[in-house]
Amino acid sequence: QVQLVQSGAEMKKPGASVKVSCKASGYTFTNYAIHWVRQAPGQRLEWVGWINTDNGAPKYSQKFQDRVTITTDASASTAYMELNSLKSEDTAAYYCARRSSAFDFWGQGTLVTVSS
Amino acid sequence: DIVMTQSPLSLPVTPGEPASISCKSSQSLLHSNGYNYLDWYLQRPGQSPQLLIYLGSNRASGVPDRFSGSGSGTDFTLKISRVETEDVGVYYCIQTLQIPYTFGQGTKLEIK
Repeated sequence: QVQLVQSGAEMKKPGASVKVSCKASGYTFTNYAIHWVRQAPGQRLEWVGWINTDNGAPKYSQKFQDRVTITTDASASTAYMELNSLKSEDTAAYYCARRSSAFDFWGQGTLVTVSS
Repeated sequence: DIVMTQSPLSLPVTPGEPASISCKSSQSLLHSNGYNYLDWYLQRPGQSPQLLIYLGSNRASGVPDRFSGSGSGTDFTLKISRVETEDVGVYYCIQTLQIPYTFGQGTKLEIK
């Protein structure tokens, strides 16, 4: 069965970086894109960016363009999202999701807390 | 960016009664290929979002047939024919026509 398993919760200080992983299983990793979506407390879902897992080409929301890097390790069927220069406003649950015609499978979410 | 606006934001419903959620976009989501790039998700309390409807009106695998999606262009509707207690949560629409993909504010469905 298809599963996306994300890394555990992180607590970071302002200005630090965080790297969240998303390990896929149950399907051919390179056949589907991986997207990242975040949800700050009490806020709507927010799209961060995506990566073509076949050629490794990422695309980011302009809001995060200069702070986010999405990569993959196809040999490990794993995608990564790194966010730099963290601010308190980046406190959120970060989700990876597989995309076919839509986001048909989601990871369990990784809570990133940014606090001094 | 395309702005997505949902209404209502809160929806109390009696079990067995129908429910309807509206989603409006600031630009048409109708692609030249004939598809509307509008999806619906349900996020149950403490869970990740799950896909209900994709490309405007296509029910995702395993989704009960009491859920239906309709609309075209800028106006879309998610309907639940008979609400059940398991339908509690926050419903989101999202446009995937243009990057950045953007979500509506969410509609919280609760049981009366």
